[in-house]
Amino acid sequence: EAQVTQNPRYLITVTGKKLTVTCSQNMNHEYMSWYRQDPGLGLRQIYYSMNVEVTDKGDVPEGYKVSRKEKRNFPLILESPSPNQTSLYFCASSPRILGEGQPQHFGDGTRLSIL
Amino acid sequence: TQLLEQSPQFLSIQEGENLTVYCNSSSVFSSLQWYRQEPGEGPVLLVTVVTGGEVKKLKRLTFQFGDARKDSSLHITAAQPGDTGLYLCAAYNFNKFYFGSGTKLNVKP
Repeated sequence: EAQVTQNPRYLITVTGKKLTVTCSQNMNHEYMSWYRQDPGLGLRQIYYSMNVEVTDKGDVPEGYKVSRKEKRNFPLILESPSPNQTSLYFCASSPRILGEGQPQHFGDGTRLSIL
Repeated sequence: TQLLEQSPQFLSIQEGENLTVYCNSSSVFSSLQWYRQEPGEGPVLLVTVVTGGEVKKLKRLTFQFGDARKDSSLHITAAQPGDTGLYLCAAYNFNKFYFGSGTKLNVKP
């Protein structure tokens, strides 16, 4: 089954404790992306990757890191989490962008609470 | 400031009513997408519109892309409780995706 898998689904942690949210897709998609969803703000793109070893900042990259060492995996790293990073996070993937938006396939989300 | 402005933010209607959701921008886009999201799940693509003036139908849902490719609308005919959810428009520009803030629709039986 084609899917985007995020782990963990829920995480409560404390300020400053490094954490990683994993994302894996099995559709051989080139483009992968991380979003955060906050009430009234919709989804905002944090980072995206056009392909292996190619990553770039989205609209709200501060406080986050990503890596794309393999095509299927795109982990989101919070080196020193702070309470303002409490949010619902989504990973998404899509086929190679050819000048127009390709459909994005989303994971089920990771609800992150930072105390 | 949101690149895409959606309205209304909330909509609560009775089963059988019609409704329209709007997605507006001052920017021109090569394409625009509509997604639907249910609680506890990620958004799911409903449609992509790519041509100015294009109209696409998906059963009781009608999507329109503005002639100038700056705006779009989603019209639902005879809404049903199963249509309840968060509707999001999204646009792609220079390798990035931008989402509207969403319209939360509640259809009461």
